[in-house]
Amino acid sequence: NAGVTQTPKFHILKIGQSMTLQCTQDMNHNYMYWYRQDPGMGLKLIYYSVGAGITDKGEVPNGYNVSRSTTEDFPLRLELAAPSQTSVYFCASSPDRAYGYTFGSGTRLTVV
Amino acid sequence: GENVEQHPSTLSVQEGDSAVIKCTYSDSASNYFPWYKQELGKRPQLIIDIRSNVGEKKDQRIAVTLNKTAKHFSLHITETQPEDSAVYFCAATSGGYQKVTFGTGTKLQVIP
Repeated sequence: NAGVTQTPKFHILKIGQSMTLQCTQDMNHNYMYWYRQDPGMGLKLIYYSVGAGITDKGEVPNGYNVSRSTTEDFPLRLELAAPSQTSVYFCASSPDRAYGYTFGSGTRLTVV
Repeated sequence: GENVEQHPSTLSVQEGDSAVIKCTYSDSASNYFPWYKQELGKRPQLIIDIRSNVGEKKDQRIAVTLNKTAKHFSLHITETQPEDSAVYFCAATSGGYQKVTFGTGTKLQVIP
């Protein structure tokens, strides 16, 4: 049982480029989330999903897109990367509402 | 929407002493309150949680208390050890879909 797996762990992206952060979980959790954490700061919700085919915006969705075609996978797409998107990105999952999250190990992204 | 305030932002204690971190929330419909520990460079990990129908919960050296009337909840760590040094986040969950609001974090330093 691997839990929540994120790839890549580190990446440097040039301004204007696009990339996809991968997230997969093997716990059959319905709920999945993407957060970003800037240095020394808290967690900000980007997007979340309550099941396959259903996604919704969090508090900072601009510049990002998601899809949820399967229960296991919840990729985050960055379009036209900007320096303001330099951050650590965490994917998380939970079995249902009002349950604790299992976080992935994070992706440290730098946009230069 | 929900607003979660967390205090203090930093806390230093001597090894063996107790540490208390406090959070207040604004939405009376919130019904689930998890606490996460994040060590430097690592992912947040759930350490304890409490639901709105319970006033207190303990797990070895950590405990959480909830006062629904006053809309605040607290994390108590007794007999602190150096490995307790980390950033601790509180959170509150409310709404039909799982909408979690995180506090801003408390950096706990345990001095040997």
